[in-house]
Amino acid sequence: QVQLVQSGAEVKKPGASVKVSCKASGYTFTSYGISWVRQAPGQGLEWMGWISAYNGNTNYAQKLQGRVTMTTDTSTSTAYMELRSLRSDDTAVYYCARDLGSLGYWGQGTLVTVSS
Amino acid sequence: EIVLTQSPGTLSLSPGERATLSCRASQSVSSSYLAWYQQKPGQAPRLLIYGASSRATGIPDRFSGSGSGTDFTLTISRLEPEDFAVYYCQQYGSSPQYTFGQGTKLEIK
Repeated sequence: QVQLVQSGAEVKKPGASVKVSCKASGYTFTSYGISWVRQAPGQGLEWMGWISAYNGNTNYAQKLQGRVTMTTDTSTSTAYMELRSLRSDDTAVYYCARDLGSLGYWGQGTLVTVSS
Repeated sequence: EIVLTQSPGTLSLSPGERATLSCRASQSVSSSYLAWYQQKPGQAPRLLIYGASSRATGIPDRFSGSGSGTDFTLTISRLEPEDFAVYYCQQYGSSPQYTFGQGTKLEIK
């Protein structure tokens, strides 16, 4: 069965960076892209960007350009999302999802808290 | 960027009733690349509908999607207690620059 298992919760100070991992299993990792979506407390879903697990091509949401980097390690079927220069409004649950345009499988979410 | 506007913001209905949720796009969504998700508190979203009208694997047939262009609808024919949740639409026509609607909360009346 398809599973996406994310790394654990993080607490960071403003200005720091965070790197969240997403380990995939149950399918051929390089056959699908991975999208990252975040959700601030009590708010809706925000798409952050996409990475092709086949060739590493990326496309980021314009508001995050320059602060976010998405990568993959095909040897371990793991996707990573790094967000830099963290601010308090980056506090959110971060999700990875298997991308076929629609997002059919999701990780369990990783809470990132940005606080001084 | 395509903006998706969902209505109503909150919908109050009773089990057994029919629910109709709307998602309107600021410009045409190509090839009906429109999906619907259900999210319950503390859980990740779950894909219900893709391609505007195709049910995802394991989704009950009381859920149906329709529409094209700029106007899309999610219908739940007869509400079950477990259907009360928040619903989001997502467009993936301008791939891969996706957007989500702001959500509709379906609550028990």
